[in-house]
Amino acid sequence: GQNIDQPTEMTATEGAIVQINCTYQTSGFNGLFWYQQHAGEAPTFLSYNVLDGLEEKGRFSSFLSRSKGYSYLLLKELQMKDSASYLCAVLDSNYQLIWGAGTKLIIKP
Amino acid sequence: SQTIHQWPATLVQPVGSPLSLECTVEGTSNPNLYWYRQAAGRGLQLLFYSVGIGQISSEVPQNLSASRPQDRQFILSSKKLLLSDSGFYLCAWTRTEHYGYTFGSGTRLTVV
Repeated sequence: GQNIDQPTEMTATEGAIVQINCTYQTSGFNGLFWYQQHAGEAPTFLSYNVLDGLEEKGRFSSFLSRSKGYSYLLLKELQMKDSASYLCAVLDSNYQLIWGAGTKLIIKP
Repeated sequence: SQTIHQWPATLVQPVGSPLSLECTVEGTSNPNLYWYRQAAGRGLQLLFYSVGIGQISSEVPQNLSASRPQDRQFILSSKKLLLSDSGFYLCAWTRTEHYGYTFGSGTRLTVV
């Protein structure tokens, strides 16, 4: 079967750095997405990785290792507004998105 | 620019009543369209997707159905709602999957 694992919940302090991990086992791989979802709202796109390595976009970076079936989302200089769920999703060989259950990130002052 | 509209934002319906949720996309043509459901604290469950007018693929057999009467219109329906149909329903579109999905604002459905 296809499976994506992420921690259920993480807590971090305002101004700090947090890394949210995602491991996947899917039938084929055509890219990995990270989405941010604030409570009661729709997910919004953060990043897309298809090649190994680190993609940096402002305070957010996303890393991919295809050989390890592993990705992480790195958030720097955390702000209270970063409190949200972060969803990892993999595009499989049929170009279907397989979603993780999401990681709820709690930011404390 | 492309925009996606989804309505209504919230809905409270009695068990056994019908359902119709509508989603429209503007600023693009022939989008791939998707209906997802998200239960509280859970991940996204794909319900239906469509790659063209009248073309609907169902991922989860249930009492829900979808239709695409126009290129940029996607409708989710039910003839008789169940309590288990409660959830957060999201419509999404993409030009191709590599671009990622853009989601509508969602409909919070509570079946009572």
